[in-house]
Amino acid sequence: QSVLIQPPSASGTPGQRVTLSCSGITSNIRSYTINWYQQFAGAAPNLLIDSNNQRPSGVPDRFSGSRSGTSASLAISGLQSEDEAIYYCAAWDDSVNAWVFGGGTKLSVL
Amino acid sequence: QVQLVQSGAEVRKPGASVRISCEASGYKFTNFFLNWVRQAPGQGLEWVGMSVPRGGSGDYAQKFQDRVVMTADTSANTVYMELTSLTSEDTAIYYCARAATSLGAFDIWGQGTVVTVSS
Repeated sequence: QSVLIQPPSASGTPGQRVTLSCSGITSNIRSYTINWYQQFAGAAPNLLIDSNNQRPSGVPDRFSGSRSGTSASLAISGLQSEDEAIYYCAAWDDSVNAWVFGGGTKLSVL
Repeated sequence: QVQLVQSGAEVRKPGASVRISCEASGYKFTNFFLNWVRQAPGQGLEWVGMSVPRGGSGDYAQKFQDRVVMTADTSANTVYMELTSLTSEDTAIYYCARAATSLGAFDIWGQGTVVTVSS
């Protein structure tokens, strides 16, 4: 059971906008910034969103992040087939003094 | 370019130890933290701990506190993670990942090291 809660799957069609959610508690999401990672099958994760809503260099502006209270979300607009991946949210948790991750959402582009 | 290159796959028997390495290049080694994250087969990501290459003790997840040691060799720009008393539940891909601060995002990841624990 992951500390941060993400739906296990999501889907959309090309061109659509999808939103992935991540739910936590005061000791993690409310107190610390959220990062999002994208992992393609058989590859290492990549940083997608830093500090709730900052895109690292090279990440398309189709990807955006937000946080409100103890929840965060990742929005992907103009969905493309190459967006098929697993998306993980992560935050520091001061109740366990550790980085905690969501269980990941597998995104399918139909 | 900035990269982290990890050592190769390892196979160990239950009760044994494993030491894996992560060599950094393309940036000033001592200016960043290096985290270790593992991923069991078909599972999500789990933080193991953090190494501080410029000195000071590492910071480990409570779950691994008694059996993990992270060290750094600044002359070789390399960090090491040793995990002892292995069980089948330690079978996973182990990634090293760079962060600018102790609470910073993991911006560069190694390619991963597969550790298999089997009798």
